[in-house]
Amino acid sequence: AQTVTQSQPEMSVQEAETVTLSCTYDTSENNYYLFWYKQPPSRQMILVIRQEAYKQQNATENRFSVNFQKAAKSFSLKISDSQLGDTAMYFCAFMKQRRDDKIIFGKGTRLHILP
Amino acid sequence: GAGVSQSPSNKVTEKGKDVELRCDPISGHTALYWYRQSLGQGLEFLIYFQGNSAPDKSGLPSDRFSAERTGGSVSTLTIQRTQQEDSAVYLCASSWTSGGAMGGTQYFGPGTRLLVL
Repeated sequence: AQTVTQSQPEMSVQEAETVTLSCTYDTSENNYYLFWYKQPPSRQMILVIRQEAYKQQNATENRFSVNFQKAAKSFSLKISDSQLGDTAMYFCAFMKQRRDDKIIFGKGTRLHILP
Repeated sequence: GAGVSQSPSNKVTEKGKDVELRCDPISGHTALYWYRQSLGQGLEFLIYFQGNSAPDKSGLPSDRFSAERTGGSVSTLTIQRTQQEDSAVYLCASSWTSGGAMGGTQYFGPGTRLLVL
């Protein structure tokens, strides 16, 4: 069975700083997808970034980037130049590399960006 | 539509009553998923539908929970004889499963917050 672990329940950083959220996972699969989703107080789950395990290059989306270490089963999210709108719950998630399968979520990290 | 929509946004019901939650996926998405988000359990998978295949019901917590998807589009999650422990946010997601850079990525609706008194 797959598991996803986020070891930081809550974090706070000052606006404009860089913050890194940690995630580790456990799987016997070789091919899979990893995601970071953001859930602001509005409750809407928003995709932040997606990584395919067969790709060695780390995914980036504007201020968001990941550090994907397949051998270590680690998938951290870096947010650069953090903004107040980044305040949210962040979930790390795993999905087998099938195009229709359930997502396994971590427990989440609540991130506060302070003015 | 532009995104996944869910209704109602909030639902308060009395213990023992039945409730129906609705999900309207993104047009063209063939896969539809239901998840439950509760304080103690985080995000849990409930059920998913893919095209005309039999749904994967492996996450449904009890036989009080059921779901259907009519015409390969709208889905309804039904909870019978609600219990207080059913109180949670119910999230729906959809995805397309054909090729492409984002194939398989699930897009979520805003959820329905259910409170069972």
